Amino acid sequence: QQKVQQSPESLSVPEGGMASLNCTSSDRNFQYFWWYRQHSGEGPKALMSIFSDGDKKEGRFTAHLNKASLHVSLHIRDSQPSDSALYFCAASVGTGGYKVVFGSGTRLLVSP
Amino acid sequence: EAAVTQSPRSKVAVTGGKVTLSCHQTNNHDYMYWYRQDTGHGLRLIHYSYVADSTEKGDIPDGYKASRPSQENFSLILELASLSQTAVYFCASSAPPGAETLYFGSGTRLTVL
Repeated sequence: QQKVQQSPESLSVPEGGMASLNCTSSDRNFQYFWWYRQHSGEGPKALMSIFSDGDKKEGRFTAHLNKASLHVSLHIRDSQPSDSALYFCAASVGTGGYKVVFGSGTRLLVSP
Repeated sequence: EAAVTQSPRSKVAVTGGKVTLSCHQTNNHDYMYWYRQDTGHGLRLIHYSYVADSTEKGDIPDGYKASRPSQENFSLILELASLSQTAVYFCASSAPPGAETLYFGSGTRLTVL
């Protein structure tokens, strides 16, 4: 059983729409969370990190963390075709990159 | 911006053959990692290193060896390649322990026939 589970597996939204991605962890010790984005043929690239409960906003992207419910989400406002990619949720129990656990990803398609 | 370069970009190998994947980083990062990506499994850690001439096992090390001859270079070695090792492999680097971000290369697509 994966410790970090993402939903949905795939998501399709129209250009200009809102995309909402979810991530639930099964380990209450996770303290640090990231969202990574991977475009086709490229390596993953960090999109946002969130370490405290609440919302963190960066441009069109908003991450929300609720450690009590072990849930983190990513909301993309005004989605663009260039946002079409594979999105990974990642979590860590502490410092050290080798402790990071990745979810299996959500594939987002934004249609013009 | 951080730079991690992998070579080759793709490789076809025969079962039982030896495969070496190379990674070079110019970030001056201490930590380097090798991940494997398979559909439905996300990214899984194979080996990592936090200092030259030393490597550590990750979550799925069986069938893989790693080598870190310098801070900048990190290799993944498959001594006897098997069909199950067909996957996309990513190298990454990060700064010393902290809530650090991982910087990934563009990946190597390995096909074992």
